[in-house]
Amino acid sequence: DTGVSQNPRHKITKRGQNVTFRCDPISEHNRLYWYRQTLGQGPEFLTYFQNEAQLEKSRLLSDRFSAERPKGSFSTLEIQRTEQGDSAMYLCASSYRNNEKLFFGSGTQLSVL
Amino acid sequence: AQKVTQAQTEISVVEKEDVTLDCVYETRDTTYYLFWYKQPPSGELVFLIRRNSFDEQNEISGRYSWNFQKSTSSFNFTITASQVVDSAVYFCALTNNAGNNRKLIWGLGTSLAVNP
Repeated sequence: DTGVSQNPRHKITKRGQNVTFRCDPISEHNRLYWYRQTLGQGPEFLTYFQNEAQLEKSRLLSDRFSAERPKGSFSTLEIQRTEQGDSAMYLCASSYRNNEKLFFGSGTQLSVL
Repeated sequence: AQKVTQAQTEISVVEKEDVTLDCVYETRDTTYYLFWYKQPPSGELVFLIRRNSFDEQNEISGRYSWNFQKSTSSFNFTITASQVVDSAVYFCALTNNAGNNRKLIWGLGTSLAVNP
């Protein structure tokens, strides 16, 4: 059990640029979640995969956001045409079953200048 | 509607003091799950406990204990003999049986500072 890995840890970008984050979940976990967290807030759900299928997307996820999980392994979250309001910590988590504990990565801190 | 309230924004204690973090929840569901997660300065949220609505037994794990009271819709967390390593933001969260992890309702967190 090597834990959930996220890359990069930090990303600074200029407004309008595209960014992509990667998440490697715990290998036997078929459920993968993306959350966004801003300072002083709890995590906000963005999207959820069961194996390779993206089963749910939050209304928070605008058309500029897209996520994939090819082959049900790692996942990527891409933000196109970044805006300053996208600045946040993007957290990835995985679990084996519903309602079981989530294992979180350390997150990717995005700063949009 | 579901809601989680952590009224204590920040708490500061001296090492070895006991400290209780409050969590009050609202839900109309009869079946639900409550969680506590710890977020240290490194940023990685760490699972502490999950409790379902039918299990009102209090739980103790080392220096950590949890008091679940359905009558007051509270799920409070106590750290006994606090240590500097306990300094973190602690989140309480709620989901109903159908919602599972993608429908977790999170509190705003309580930032705990344990000073030497």
